[in-house]
Formats: sequence, C-alpha cells, structure tokens
Amino acid sequence: GNSVTQMEGPVTLSEEAFLTINCTYTATGYPSLFWYVQYPGEGLQLLLKATKADDKGSNKGFEATYRKETTSFHLEKGSVQVSDSAVYFCALSVSTTDSWGKLQFGAGTQVVVTP
Amino acid sequence: EAGVVQSPRYKIIEKKQPVAFWCNPISGHNTLYWYLQNLGQGPELLIRYENEEAVDDSQLPKDRFSAERLKGVDSTLKIQPAELGDSAVYLCASSPDSGSYNEQFFGPGTRLTVL
Repeated sequence: GNSVTQMEGPVTLSEEAFLTINCTYTATGYPSLFWYVQYPGEGLQLLLKATKADDKGSNKGFEATYRKETTSFHLEKGSVQVSDSAVYFCALSVSTTDSWGKLQFGAGTQVVVTP
Repeated sequence: EAGVVQSPRYKIIEKKQPVAFWCNPISGHNTLYWYLQNLGQGPELLIRYENEEAVDDSQLPKDRFSAERLKGVDSTLKIQPAELGDSAVYLCASSPDSGSYNEQFFGPGTRLTVL
C-alpha cells in the first residue's frame, strides 16, 4: 500500500537556522507529493506540491524536490523565523482506482523556532 | 473567499452519547472529505464525496459512524454511540474535484473529547 514516513519531532531550531525535514514514501503508480503546514489552532494549509519527478515545489522560502530515485520529498528552508513554528505534514496522492483523490499523510513533524 | 467552515470547534460528551459535526465547503467545490486526526498523527481519510455521492467510504466504521451530504453542499458526520477511542480531531476538506494533483482545503477541525 501507499505510505509516507517523515522524521520525528520536535525539531528545535534557533531563528535564522537551516531547516530540513526528511520525507520518504512508498507508492504504487506515480504519486503527487505535498507538504502541508498546521499552525497552532488552525487547519492544515498547503505549503507546496510537486506532481512529477524532478519537480521542485517552493513557497514562503520553503523548497522540496520530488526525487523518484530515492522516493523522497525533503522539505528545506534556508533561514527559519519564529513564525515558522508549526507542524509540517508530508503527504501523497495517487491516481489509482482505490486511492483516487485520497491524501496519505505522514505523522507530522513539529518544528519549534526560538528567538 | 471564505474557507471551509466547521462547527462546533470543540465538543465534550459522555461515552455512548451521539454527536454530530457539520461542514460547509468552499463554494463550488464538488469534492468533500472527512478526515480523522488522532493526537500526534497525520489525518486519515474517513469518507469522500463527489457532489452528493459517497464514492469512498471504505475507512468509515459503519457500525457507529454515518455521514451525509444533502444537495451536494454541506455535510454532516455523526457518531452514535460515541466511544472513548473516538476522541480526536475531525477535519473536513474540500477541493474543486478529486484529481490526485489537486490541493485540498482544510477546515479548522472539530476537537471531540469523549469522557
């Protein structure tokens, strides 16, 4: 079946530090890959996505590249801010009969950025 | 543009009591999803609607859970009777359609506590 594995948190960083959150996946077919973010007290928001191999998604200084050869979609940001403190979810979706439109999420990684 | 609206935001009930959650998706979005999010985990799909038709309810525990989407707009998720293990956050999401590359827009969720 389809699954997503992401690094456990919490990840604690100082402001302006470099952030990497690892995400690997297992999927039948060719998945689309997503990073969602959940700020405290809010719903999940799409941060970025990539729909085919070697695509790079980017938004708000975050980037992730769809690596088919390593089945990975690691999230990176060069200089984090306190406002980036949130829970980050890696997810995939495949276009198969039994999984059409279904998002498969990882467990989430909490990121805490301190001043 | 208004986002996905859910109510109530919080609900505390005794076990064996019924409970219902309501969702109003983004206007024009044909696809509606209900997800269950346990503490420290990613969301898991319960049911997906295309307009008023439930096209994927394979993960919905049908002995106690039911859902409806009358007129293909608002949706209600019901649990009867609730059990202690149902304590979780119930998320509603919507998208224009169910393609695997499409962004899903999430509501803030309903946090259910069963005592």
